[in-house]
Amino acid sequence: GENVEQHPSTLSVQEGDSAVIKCTYSDSASNYFPWYKQELGKRPQLIIDIRSNVGEKKDQRIAVTLNKTAKHFSLHITETQPEDSAVYFCAAQRYQKVTFGTGTKLQVIP
Amino acid sequence: GAVVSQHPSRVICKSGTSVKIECRSLDFQATTMFWYRQFPKQSLMLMATSNEGSKATYEQGVEKDKFLINHASLTLSTLTVTSAHPEDSSFYICSARGTSGRATSTDTQYFGPGTRLTVL
Repeated sequence: GENVEQHPSTLSVQEGDSAVIKCTYSDSASNYFPWYKQELGKRPQLIIDIRSNVGEKKDQRIAVTLNKTAKHFSLHITETQPEDSAVYFCAAQRYQKVTFGTGTKLQVIP
Repeated sequence: GAVVSQHPSRVICKSGTSVKIECRSLDFQATTMFWYRQFPKQSLMLMATSNEGSKATYEQGVEKDKFLINHASLTLSTLTVTSAHPEDSSFYICSARGTSGRATSTDTQYFGPGTRLTVL
């Protein structure tokens, strides 16, 4: 089955700096890669996603890159703000099967 | 985006009782619903996948007789934890995926707010 690894598990950055979270996956047939943000006690919220036929996607301060050959994808957050503090999950999806990464706790220090 | 509700948000029950959790897609038809379990500071663990009108597909290690899933309509799925025990205490989250209404992506899962189950 699919295996998704996510690094780092915790990340602290100063406000205004950039944050990068990396994930690798094992199933080359996975074709959809969403990123979710989960605040404490709340539901995961989709923040950006990318499909396997695209190498990069950007939405304001958030961007995701995908390297299909190496089977890894990354989340980039620029100009971080305190409200970006949360746990971020990557996921790899094939058909109905979604496998989540272990999560990264991002802390943005004001 | 598409909205998924979950009820109750929090439930406390005695050991040995059964608890039903409802998951509803409010503004789209959910062809597929997923049930996850999340332990503190851990990732989402998929328990089962259900398609409307058919039996749920359970992940390895999940007892189908203990976690009963019913996806009776395109907007409602229920998870019943039967004969609950303290080790079943957890945060249960559903998600839904569909193609109609506001859920225009066929891949994206929209999550419910979760149910905190505490078994005494």
